[in-house]
Amino acid sequence: GAGVSQSPSNKVTEKGKDVELRCDPISGHTALYWYRQSLGQGLEFLIYFQGNSAPDKSGLPSDRFSAERTGGSVSTLTIQRTQQEDSAVYLCASSLGGTQTYEQYFGPGTRLTVT
Amino acid sequence: GQSLEQPSEVTAVEGAIVQINCTYQTSGFYGLSWYQQHDGGAPTFLSYNGLDGLEETGRFSSFLSRSDSYGYLLLQELQMKDSASYFCAAGSGTGGFKTIFGAGTRLFVKA
Repeated sequence: GAGVSQSPSNKVTEKGKDVELRCDPISGHTALYWYRQSLGQGLEFLIYFQGNSAPDKSGLPSDRFSAERTGGSVSTLTIQRTQQEDSAVYLCASSLGGTQTYEQYFGPGTRLTVT
Repeated sequence: GQSLEQPSEVTAVEGAIVQINCTYQTSGFYGLSWYQQHDGGAPTFLSYNGLDGLEETGRFSSFLSRSDSYGYLLLQELQMKDSASYFCAAGSGTGGFKTIFGAGTRLFVKA
């Protein structure tokens, strides 16, 4: 079946512009996660959604970052007034949730470059 | 705060056994996962420990000791294709959904 997809695969933007990153999780997966990975670094937790529960936004680095998940499926991560330090690969993952929440399936990521 | 520590690099020869350790400090600890990531690729799930003890999946095994806040990933019969970064990740909070990753261990497998 189809895996997690993300778009765009690459995004170059000018400092100060807003960007939207999209994630399509695996069908039937109730949990969806966003992470950020800088070159050669680990994954930084940003936010997760689980079913109809309120999302855990505790990892968002500033109020310039926001995310929504519509209809329990597609998610969009929005970064407003981008800064050069926002440059990174943004990874989305999904999992079945419940007792299978630990097995996360990752998308290919969106490489964001802020110039 | 929440943090996981693992060695930055490990080098081993083909056919050998290597152990990658991970110590964690997380509130509301739920379980420990391991992921593999090749250069330019996305992380892929390897193993999970929700309870103390050893979990075996083919050439890979993972261990957890909650009392020691410690776990490890054991890779046996190393192959060149195992050269990659390996991340431990701790689930925490309600349902264990909030996942904090370590900085990763870069494994180099030599012929």
